Amino acid sequence: AQSVTQPDIHITVSEGASLELRCNYSYGATPYLFWYVQSPGQGLQLLLKYFSGDTLVQGIKGFEAEFKRSQSSFNLRKPSVHWSDAAEYFCAVGAPGGSYIPTFGRGTSLIVHP
Amino acid sequence: DAGVIQSPRHEVTEMGQEVTLRCKPISGHNSLFWYRQTMMRGLELLIYFNNNVPIDDSGMPEDRFSAKMPNASFSTLKIQPSEPRDSAVYFCASRATDTQYFGPGTRLTVL
Repeated sequence: AQSVTQPDIHITVSEGASLELRCNYSYGATPYLFWYVQSPGQGLQLLLKYFSGDTLVQGIKGFEAEFKRSQSSFNLRKPSVHWSDAAEYFCAVGAPGGSYIPTFGRGTSLIVHP
Repeated sequence: DAGVIQSPRHEVTEMGQEVTLRCKPISGHNSLFWYRQTMMRGLELLIYFNNNVPIDDSGMPEDRFSAKMPNASFSTLKIQPSEPRDSAVYFCASRATDTQYFGPGTRLTVL
């Protein structure tokens, strides 16, 4: 069975600082990996996804994530955080295949200080 | 494309009443998912349809919950009778191949 852990419930950063949100997964092979963002009162928006190939994935809004097989991780990064990045971030994992059902982490709440 | 459309966006009802949540998936998407989000339990998958057929409903909490997908462009999630513990945000998501797209959600409050 697949599972995903987001170790940090809350992360606080200052505007302009760099950001890294952690995601660890459990799956026997290389899974599909996703990061979603949820702004208050909104649905989940896809930031980026990894299926195969280059382990560094670029997404929208200046985010990137790196797949590290040896660490079973898919951490999300941004070099300079903006106040508008304050939101809830979800990592998700799915078994490769057209009919996969993703498993979502509990989310990390990002707080941005001016 | 308009994205996944959900209605209503907010619903306030009294315990015991029937509640129906609606979802219109993105055109051409053949998979549809209903999720429930609460602070206590996070994002839970309730039911998953593929080509309008329910594939996995193991997440439906109890018989009070039912979901239908009569055609490729419409799905409903019904709660009858509703209880205060059903208060949550309910999301619909659709998928064509490998990526899910979420609707804005319906915030349900059961008094």
